[in-house]
Amino acid sequence: DGGITQSPKYLFRKEGQNVTLSCEQNLNHDAMYWYRQDPGQGLRLIYYSQIVNDFQKGDIAEGYSVSREKKESFPLTVTSAQKNPTAFYLCASSMSVGRGRYEQYFGPGTRLTVT
Amino acid sequence: EDKVVQSPLSLVVHEGDTVTLNCSYEVTNFRSLLWYKQEKKAPTFLFMLTSSGIEKKSGRLSSILDKKELFSILNITATQTGDSAVYLCAHYNQGGKLIFGQGTELSVKP
Repeated sequence: DGGITQSPKYLFRKEGQNVTLSCEQNLNHDAMYWYRQDPGQGLRLIYYSQIVNDFQKGDIAEGYSVSREKKESFPLTVTSAQKNPTAFYLCASSMSVGRGRYEQYFGPGTRLTVT
Repeated sequence: EDKVVQSPLSLVVHEGDTVTLNCSYEVTNFRSLLWYKQEKKAPTFLFMLTSSGIEKKSGRLSSILDKKELFSILNITATQTGDSAVYLCAHYNQGGKLIFGQGTELSVKP
């Protein structure tokens, strides 16, 4: 079954703790993305990666970090420096822009609550 | 700065109605415009539009792009309760980033 998986579905953390959200895809996509969604808002880009071992900051990268050691995996760490970490986090992937296919496919999301 | 604006932000209709959702954009290097449907969780891809005036259709949903006036519309005919969702419009810019609008929350009442 091809697709994007995110885990866990729900995550609760205490303020001041770092937390890592998992994202795996078996679609053989080159590009992967992390978005944050707050109630009543669209998706905002945190980080994205076009190829392994390379990634770029999106619009709201402060307080987050990523790695891309394998094509299939793009974990996101929410650090204690992120001021408002409670949100719904979505991972996505797409074929490389250079191949002319643009649609992004999304994972089921992780809802993070920090208290 | 690239910008995507959707209207209305929310809409309540009755089953059988036809709805039109709007998406306007201001971007420096247009590549494509995408529509997604988001129910409780992950957005699911609906359409990608790259050329003006060519309607994309899937069942009761259709969408068209006007690159001169910088907008797109998503039409849903004969709405059903299962159409209730947030509909997201996004522009894919030359840098490979999707810029999303705020979304339109559609509620279809029986």
